Amino acid sequence: NAGVTQTPKFQVLKTGQSMTLQCAQDMNHNSMYWYRQDPGMGLRLIYYSASEGTTDKGEVPNGYNVSRLNKREFSLRLESAAPSQTSVYFCASSVGSGRSRANVLTFGAGSRLTVL
Amino acid sequence: AQSVTQLDSQVPVFEEAPVELRCNYSSSVSVYLFWYVQYPNQGLQLLLKYLSGSTLVKGINGFEAEFNKSQTSFHLRKPSVHISDTAEYFCALDTGRRALTFGSGTRLQVQP
Repeated sequence: NAGVTQTPKFQVLKTGQSMTLQCAQDMNHNSMYWYRQDPGMGLRLIYYSASEGTTDKGEVPNGYNVSRLNKREFSLRLESAAPSQTSVYFCASSVGSGRSRANVLTFGAGSRLTVL
Repeated sequence: AQSVTQLDSQVPVFEEAPVELRCNYSSSVSVYLFWYVQYPNQGLQLLLKYLSGSTLVKGINGFEAEFNKSQTSFHLRKPSVHISDTAEYFCALDTGRRALTFGSGTRLQVQP
């Protein structure tokens, strides 16, 4: 059982280049999330998708776009990378987002992105 | 708006000593609270959660946390730590309205 799979694990980009981080889950979860992790700042939500077909901005969405391709897959795209986007990115999923089911998140292993 | 504060960025402790990692939260609505652990170069794993009921919650690896509504705290404790507990620990809050809000993390360094 793979859980949440992210690719790539490492990537180095030059300023202005574009790339897409891929995420897939095999747990039949409804909700999926993208967080970034920076030293001393914990995890900050970039975008989330409460269910297939919907996406919403988190607290740091600028410079990113997302696509909920289907129930399993949720991709994060950087259209024009900037050094400030150097970070570790985590994809996560949960069964649901309503109050009837507390958000127990399952995380991927992370993708380390460096923008030069 | 809700927030989570972890006042200690690093906590050094000797092996077999007790430890407490502090977490305070702010929210205008009722909350669910979580502790996640991140071992080096890995993703986050759920350590324990408070949803309702007993305010003392037990998790994996001998950790426990106590929900204190009057002090808006959810401190994590372990009576005797092991080298393998060296990791970063994140407190998180869920109001049921969006995604989890995480604290800035506390790095636990267990020394022999």
